[in-house]
Amino acid sequence: GENVEQHPSTLSVQEGDSAVIKCTYSDSASNYFPWYKQELGKGPQLIIDIRSNVGEKKDQRIAVTLNKTAKHFSLHITETQPEDSAVYFCAAATWAYVAGGGNKLTFGTGTQLKVEL
Amino acid sequence: DGGITQSPKYLFRKEGQNVTLSCEQNLNHDAMYWYRQDPGQGLRLIYYSQIVNDFQKGDIAEGYSVSREKKESFPLTVTSAQKNPTAFYLCASSTSGTSGSEYQETQYFGPGTRLLVL
Repeated sequence: GENVEQHPSTLSVQEGDSAVIKCTYSDSASNYFPWYKQELGKGPQLIIDIRSNVGEKKDQRIAVTLNKTAKHFSLHITETQPEDSAVYFCAAATWAYVAGGGNKLTFGTGTQLKVEL
Repeated sequence: DGGITQSPKYLFRKEGQNVTLSCEQNLNHDAMYWYRQDPGQGLRLIYYSQIVNDFQKGDIAEGYSVSREKKESFPLTVTSAQKNPTAFYLCASSTSGTSGSEYQETQYFGPGTRLLVL
């Protein structure tokens, strides 16, 4: 099955600096890579995702890059703000060609990001 | 939390007791999922359902059971066979793509239920 590794487990940055979180995956058939942000005591919220036919995607201060050959993808947050402090999870999925659809996500172990004033 | 509700927010289980966690969605999503989250670990898939009256085991299904009698509801029962049930349980849902399509559908999560053992 798929295995997703995520680094670092904790990351502290100064407000205004950039933060980078990296993930690697094992299954070359994986073709969908979402990133989730989870605040304490809440459910994860999707912040950005990328599909295997795209190498990079950007949404304001957040960007994700994908290297299919090396089987790794990264989350980049620029101009960090205190409200960016949370746990971030990467995930990978392979599309299941079955009626009804849906997909099975395999998650990384999370990165605790702390943005310090 | 995108139209997905989970109840209760906190649940206490006694030894040998079965407890049921509720998950309801009003997003008209076909697929629903249950994950378990332990401290310092990622989310692990317990069960998932791609359509009403059908569900499949995930990676850690032992000690859990589910039903999918309605599109909107996907309750999870934590049975007495689950020896370490203390965790944060998350329900998610997604729309379904067309068979043969490569289009992936986003999973949206509920607010979670924290289960504690007395």
